Amino acid sequence: RKEVEQDPGPFNVPEGATVAFNCTYSNSASQSFFWYRQDCRKEPKLLMSVYSSGNEDGRFTAQLNRASQYISLLIRDSKLSDSATYLCVVNLKAERDSGGGADGLTFGKGTHLIIQP
Amino acid sequence: GAGVSQSPSNKVTEKGKDVELRCDPISGHTALYWYRQSLGQGLEFLIYFQGNSAPDKSGLPSDRFSAERTGGSVSTLTIQRTQQEDSAVYLCASSLPGGGGQPQHFGDGTRLSIL
Repeated sequence: RKEVEQDPGPFNVPEGATVAFNCTYSNSASQSFFWYRQDCRKEPKLLMSVYSSGNEDGRFTAQLNRASQYISLLIRDSKLSDSATYLCVVNLKAERDSGGGADGLTFGKGTHLIIQP
Repeated sequence: GAGVSQSPSNKVTEKGKDVELRCDPISGHTALYWYRQSLGQGLEFLIYFQGNSAPDKSGLPSDRFSAERTGGSVSTLTIQRTQQEDSAVYLCASSLPGGGGQPQHFGDGTRLSIL
C-alpha cells in the first residue's frame, strides 16, 4: 500500500456544485495533515491545515478520520477558479515538534479538479 | 512580505554539464526543503535543512546531487554531470522550525531542461 494515496481524477464538476475527495495514508502514527493547491505549471500553495476536530475556511471544509486513516476536502458552491490539483500532505511530526529530520513527510500525487461552466 | 525566491526561473543545459540552483527562503524560516516534480507527477522530496542541524539528505537520488545552506539562509542545489532524467521543476520551500509538521511556503521553482 502506498504511503499516501489520492484518486488522480480528473473530477469534472459543474460550477456551483459540491465536491469532495479523500486522501488515505498508511502510517497510523501520522500527526500532521495539510491540503495544498497547485495550479498548472505553478508551485503548490497551502490551502489549509487539517485538524482532528475538522476545520472550515469559507467554502472549504477539511476533516480527519484517524480510525480509517484518511483526510477529506469538501468544496461547496464550487467556482471556476477552484479548478486545480489538490495535494494532500501527511507527516509523522506534529506542528509543535521541532528538530529532527523530514522523516515521514509525504505528498500525495494530487487530485485534479475541473470546474465546468 | 517577500516569499521564497528561486533562481533561475528556467535553465536549459547540455547533458553532462553541472548546474546550480538557488533558493532564498522567507526571512525567519529556519526550515528549508528541496523537491523536484516531473511533468504530471507528484513532488519528490530531496533534502531538508533545519537551522544548524545536519541536513536530512535521504531523498537525494544519487551522489551527483548535493545541497548547501550557508549562514542558515540561502541554499544552493547542485547537480553534477546532468542527465536527461534530471529534467524537472525543482521546488524550494521554507517553513517555521519543524520536521515537516509546519505548513510550507513554496517558491516558483526552477524549470530545468537537460538537452
